[in-house]
Amino acid sequence: QVQLQESGPGLVKPSETLSLTCTVSGGSISSYYWSWIRQPAGKGLEWIGRIFTSGSTNYNPSLKSRVTMSVDTSKNQFSLKLSSVTAADTAVYYCARVSRFGDSYYFDYWGQGTLVTVSS
Amino acid sequence: SYELTQPPSVSVSPGQTARITCSGDALPKQYAYWYQQKPGQAPVLVIYKDSERPSGIPERFSGSSSGTTVTLTISGVQAEDEADYYCQSADSSGTLFGGGTKLTVL
Repeated sequence: QVQLQESGPGLVKPSETLSLTCTVSGGSISSYYWSWIRQPAGKGLEWIGRIFTSGSTNYNPSLKSRVTMSVDTSKNQFSLKLSSVTAADTAVYYCARVSRFGDSYYFDYWGQGTLVTVSS
Repeated sequence: SYELTQPPSVSVSPGQTARITCSGDALPKQYAYWYQQKPGQAPVLVIYKDSERPSGIPERFSGSSSGTTVTLTISGVQAEDEADYYCQSADSSGTLFGGGTKLTVL
């Protein structure tokens, strides 16, 4: 059974960079896409982006200028960096495994989520 | 820009049938997926490829597609089905979620 676990600071100051890591267990990170998704309190889900284990990425156009994703296959981990954060970036951040049918992508395994608050 | 539109809320009594719709211009060309999210929990995939049910998901969950609208149907709703439901699909830019529908079991 694949399991994902997010880790990183729960509090980030405005204008700084949010950094999170997702550790995958129970299976190899290789040959899959992996995604980050966030959810502000009381609101819906927002896709942030995805990364393949080769390092190729696709980002949400609304966040693209501030997002960087990376993958470390030796550690079975992938990471998210979101720069120049504001209070609007306060949310629960989920990591998820991406499966696909052709060019149709979906999320079959999710982490439990981690709350990141942007505040001074 | 491309959007997926869901009703904010649906209410049904136990044992009745709940139908949650999701509309989007790209849905005739792209598969839709449905997730159930209970408070404080991560979303769980309940329907993939418009109408397929993952293993472990009760048979009362089904999906269908017609034109620009996909529908999640929950037959014989139980109290435990009360949750937020999100549709998800894709456009040329990436992946998109609907705004979510809160299912209330009266």
